[in-house]
Amino acid sequence: AQSVTQLGSHVSVSEGALVLLRCNYSSSVPPYLFWYVQYPNQGLQLLLKYTSAATLVKGINGFEAEFKKSETSFHLTKPSAHMSDAAEYFCAVSDANAGNMLTFGGGTRLMVKP
Amino acid sequence: KAGVTQTPRYLIKTRGQQVTLSCSPISGHRSVSWYQQTPGQGLQFLFEYFSETQRNKGNFPGRFSGRQFSNSRSEMNVSTLELGDSALYLCASSLGQGIFDGYTFGSGTRLTVV
Repeated sequence: AQSVTQLGSHVSVSEGALVLLRCNYSSSVPPYLFWYVQYPNQGLQLLLKYTSAATLVKGINGFEAEFKKSETSFHLTKPSAHMSDAAEYFCAVSDANAGNMLTFGGGTRLMVKP
Repeated sequence: KAGVTQTPRYLIKTRGQQVTLSCSPISGHRSVSWYQQTPGQGLQFLFEYFSETQRNKGNFPGRFSGRQFSNSRSEMNVSTLELGDSALYLCASSLGQGIFDGYTFGSGTRLTVV
């Protein structure tokens, strides 16, 4: 069975600082990995995805994530936080055994201080 | 192109009633999945439909059901509502074939059971 762990339910950074949101997964077969962002009262928006191509994945809004198989991690980073990045971020995994079912982590709420 | 459309956006129902939620996927997308989001349980997979057939089902009681029509539009139904069914219900669509490249989510239907 798949699982996803997001370390830190709340992360606070200053505007302009590095954003690092952590995600570790477990999967018995090569995974597909995703980061989604959710703004208040909205659905989920796809930030980026890893589907077995390049291990460093670039997404929208300046975010990127690196797939590290040895560490079973897929951490999300952004070099410089902006106030508009304040939202909840979800890491999700799927694999060939799960069909198209996504298993989500518990989410990390990112707060950006001026 | 139009995104995933969910109706209604907000709904208030009484315990014991039933409710039907609707989802129109992105044009050309044949896979539709439903997720329940609550503060306590996070994002949980309900079911996935592809070409009018349920392809995958999560661990929810039989009170939760769904269907997909020939135009890929989907509905989910919850019968005999309980207070714990209060949640944001998210619909997501994808092409549904080949490598799984993630879902596009709608804005959700906020269901409140009183």
